[in-house]
Amino acid sequence: KNQVEQSPQSLIILEGKNCTLQCNYTVSPFSNLRWYKQDTGRGPVSLTIMTFSENTKSNGRYTATLDADTKQSSLHITASQLSDSASYICVVIPHNTDKLIFGTGTRLQVFP
Amino acid sequence: DSGVTQTPKHLITATGQRVTLRCSPRSGDLSVYWYQQSLDQGLQFLIQYYNGEERAKGNILERFSAQQFPDLHSELNLSSLELGDSALYFCASSAGGGQTYEQYFGPGTRLTVT
Repeated sequence: KNQVEQSPQSLIILEGKNCTLQCNYTVSPFSNLRWYKQDTGRGPVSLTIMTFSENTKSNGRYTATLDADTKQSSLHITASQLSDSASYICVVIPHNTDKLIFGTGTRLQVFP
Repeated sequence: DSGVTQTPKHLITATGQRVTLRCSPRSGDLSVYWYQQSLDQGLQFLIQYYNGEERAKGNILERFSAQQFPDLHSELNLSSLELGDSALYFCASSAGGGQTYEQYFGPGTRLTVT
């Protein structure tokens, strides 16, 4: 079983709509949780970084939330744009390690 | 553009061969990470170097090795290649070696083993 699981596996939405991606993790304790955006064939780009004590972090139209009690994080995308079409990856860094544990990602497609 | 460069962009080679992937970190970054991304899997952490020294090891096969040079660029060596080694290989760099530093990913090297 993956230590970081994401849902849904893929998602199709219309331009301008909002969407929420989910991340459930079992890694504990952890130092921080990150969301990355990865365009096809390119390297991931960091969207948000949250420490275990933070509940929410925003970056423009992207807002990440963290519930350490339920071990869940979500990434909310507001007013989606065609350029939001990408894979979104949830990453957890366990405490006292530099190793990143990656989720398998959610593939988002935004259609006009 | 993250500031991390990787060469080559594409590499096609045969089974049993050996290849070297190169990574130049962002100016001033001391830490380099290597990741593998296969078609059916997510990103897998391979290894990290900090200022020339190995700092953390992930799921790196014994056929793979890496090093970081005094000028801080890094090379990932893959030997006795198998079909299953076909993947995207990413390098990332960060300013420091700790877990709070943001990692910046390069564009990747696509390796195809035939």
